[in-house]
Amino acid sequence: DTEVTQTPKHLVMGMTNKKSLKCEQHMGHRAMYWYKQKAKKPPELMFVYSYEKLSINESVPSRFSPECPNSSLLNLHLHALQPEDSALYLCASNRDRGFYGYTFGSGTRLTVV
Amino acid sequence: EDQVTQSPEALRLQEGESSSLNCSYTVSGLRGLFWYRQDPGKGPEFLFTLYSAGEEKEKERLKATLTKKESFLHITAPKPEDSATYLCAVQAREAAGNKLTFGGGTRVLVKP
Repeated sequence: DTEVTQTPKHLVMGMTNKKSLKCEQHMGHRAMYWYKQKAKKPPELMFVYSYEKLSINESVPSRFSPECPNSSLLNLHLHALQPEDSALYLCASNRDRGFYGYTFGSGTRLTVV
Repeated sequence: EDQVTQSPEALRLQEGESSSLNCSYTVSGLRGLFWYRQDPGKGPEFLFTLYSAGEEKEKERLKATLTKKESFLHITAPKPEDSATYLCAVQAREAAGNKLTFGGGTRVLVKP
C-alpha cells in the first residue's frame, strides 16, 4: 500500500458545526502532516506529527485541532470555522528519519457556509 | 528564511512545443529539492527529488536539473495530459519536522 487516504473528499459545514477530517496511511511512515491550500496558492504547513507526537504547530487557530490516535491515523477536528477557512486540506506522510519525500493524499475540499 | 520562487506563473504551450520551468531557491543548507505535479482539486503527485548540484533525473517527457541556486523542469514535446500545476519545494538540512517550503507553482496548459 503506497497511498495516503483522506476522507471525506468534500465537506460543506456551517460556522457552528463540528466536523472531522480523517487521514490514513499504511506505509509505516512515522511523520504525518496537515497542509492547507487555497486556490492557485502553494500548500501551507499547519501541523506536523512525528512518532504520534505533535512536533510543529504553525500558529494555527484553535478552531483547528489535530489528533494522532496511532501511527497510521491522523485526524483534524474542526469547530466554529469561518468562511475564509474554506480550502483544500491535504494530508501527507513520510518516514521522518533522513531525507525522504512526502506522499500526499488527494485532499478534502472544505467549504464553510 | 527559506524561499522558493517559481517562474513563469503560467505557461501556455502547443502540443509538441518544448519548454522549461524555473525554480529559484535560497535555503540555509539544502537537504533536497522536490518537484510535484498537481491536478485541479487533487493532492500533489511526487515527480522527482534532487540532492546536489549537477544532478539530473528524467521521467517520460520530464527532466529535472539542479544547480546551487535553481532547478529547471524541462518538458519535451508535451502532450495535453501534461497540463497541470508544477510545484517545486525545498527541504533545509536543519528543517524541523522535515518541513517543505513550496514555491507558488507554474500552471501549464498544453493545447492540442
